[in-house]
Amino acid sequence: DADVTQTPRNRITKTGKRIMLECSQTKGHDRMYWYRQDPGLGLRLIYYSFDVKDINKGEISDGYSVSRQAQAKFSLSLESAIPNQTALYFCATSDWNSAALQPQHFGDGTRLSIL
Amino acid sequence: GENVEQHPSTLSVQEGDSAVIKCTYSDSASNYFPWYKQELGKRPQLIIDIRSNVGEKKDQRIAVTLNKTAKHFSLHITETQPEDSAVYFCAASFLNTDKLIFGTGTRLQVFP
Repeated sequence: DADVTQTPRNRITKTGKRIMLECSQTKGHDRMYWYRQDPGLGLRLIYYSFDVKDINKGEISDGYSVSRQAQAKFSLSLESAIPNQTALYFCATSDWNSAALQPQHFGDGTRLSIL
Repeated sequence: GENVEQHPSTLSVQEGDSAVIKCTYSDSASNYFPWYKQELGKRPQLIIDIRSNVGEKKDQRIAVTLNKTAKHFSLHITETQPEDSAVYFCAASFLNTDKLIFGTGTRLQVFP
């Protein structure tokens, strides 16, 4: 879906730098997620947000922070990047339905390399 | 804790054969089980999902089965084609937090 847009698509940076990955969506979904993908480990949840005022830690939140600037925007920050944060990062969104969990829709990913 | 195990990690089949990928989950309250396909360099895309109130769901060559008692669910692809080659991820919802936990993925290769 082009409706979930991640920027940048690729980033190479140095240890200790502050990095921000951005995600915006035009789907009108309330829920947004940040995942990290490493070979052999699948997709692991970093942070998720059910609305602008609701932000929750996922499985691997240490070393990361997020900001939900608006319903459509959810940013992930690495305050002081370290090499083991080198990974492929995905943003996802989902609609909310009181009766049942809804499918998540992913962006194209940001490939981050930390030297 | 919350966990989804996925097997096998790699699977090679001949074109036209069937492929089966299995996942087990730990939370008996899980009620939503999606499957995603990720082609090389692309985003994960939802291919099929199932909810706990049904035992099986089909969409053309793809089917998913759910055994709530045993806490496992499986993806079945029949008449495989080379374009089915990709990494497949299962996931399960965890009601306490209303989030998905993903399996570690299965790399499927379909040889012509």
